[in-house]
Amino acid sequence: DQQVKQNSPSLSVQEGRISILNCDYTNSMFDYFLWYKKYPAEGPTFLISISSIKDKNEDGRFTVFLNKSAKHLSLHIVPSQPGDSAVYFCAASAVDQAGTALIFGKGTTLSVSS
Amino acid sequence: GAGVSQSPSNKVTEKGKDVELRCDPISGHTALYWYRQSLGQGLEFLIYFQGNSAPDKSGLPSDRFSAERTGGSVSTLTIQRTQQEDSAVYLCASSLGNQVNEQFFGPGTRLTVL
Repeated sequence: DQQVKQNSPSLSVQEGRISILNCDYTNSMFDYFLWYKKYPAEGPTFLISISSIKDKNEDGRFTVFLNKSAKHLSLHIVPSQPGDSAVYFCAASAVDQAGTALIFGKGTTLSVSS
Repeated sequence: GAGVSQSPSNKVTEKGKDVELRCDPISGHTALYWYRQSLGQGLEFLIYFQGNSAPDKSGLPSDRFSAERTGGSVSTLTIQRTQQEDSAVYLCASSLGNQVNEQFFGPGTRLTVL
């Protein structure tokens, strides 16, 4: 059973608008969440993370929101740019298990049109 | 180089053959991970090395899969008697091994088993 779910396989938005990528998790032990971006033929690149002691983390155009009670997080990109077109993976782990593997969702393909 | 490197970038093999995939982690990173991404799937954890500790092999799908990490640096993932379902992109990642689980990924090896 998937512990990290990205229910939307794809998302299309126009340049300048907001992109919202969603992620749900089932394991209440998860307390650290990351978003990775992946371009074709490249490895995933770390984008932004959030610890469960926070409900929001912002880095430039990227903001991650965490709703622990709903076991839901989202990545907001605003304004979206064509270069943001990529596959976005949500990942989770338990901080107190240092260095353990990340559990990834299946990814959402974002397409930003100009 | 500064990042995680993997070789080969592409590998085509016949069913039943053995393959070896190599990963050079970022210098100084004590943790090393292998994942694979099958078509349309998220990243699936395979194996994790942390320093001199025994590796976490809990993600290896069968006993045909094994991995070594020599001298705490370079790692080799070996797949014996390859099957068509082994076709995937095999990704290596490394991290500092502390409680911040930011993992840095290599570009991956695309394995195709005919």
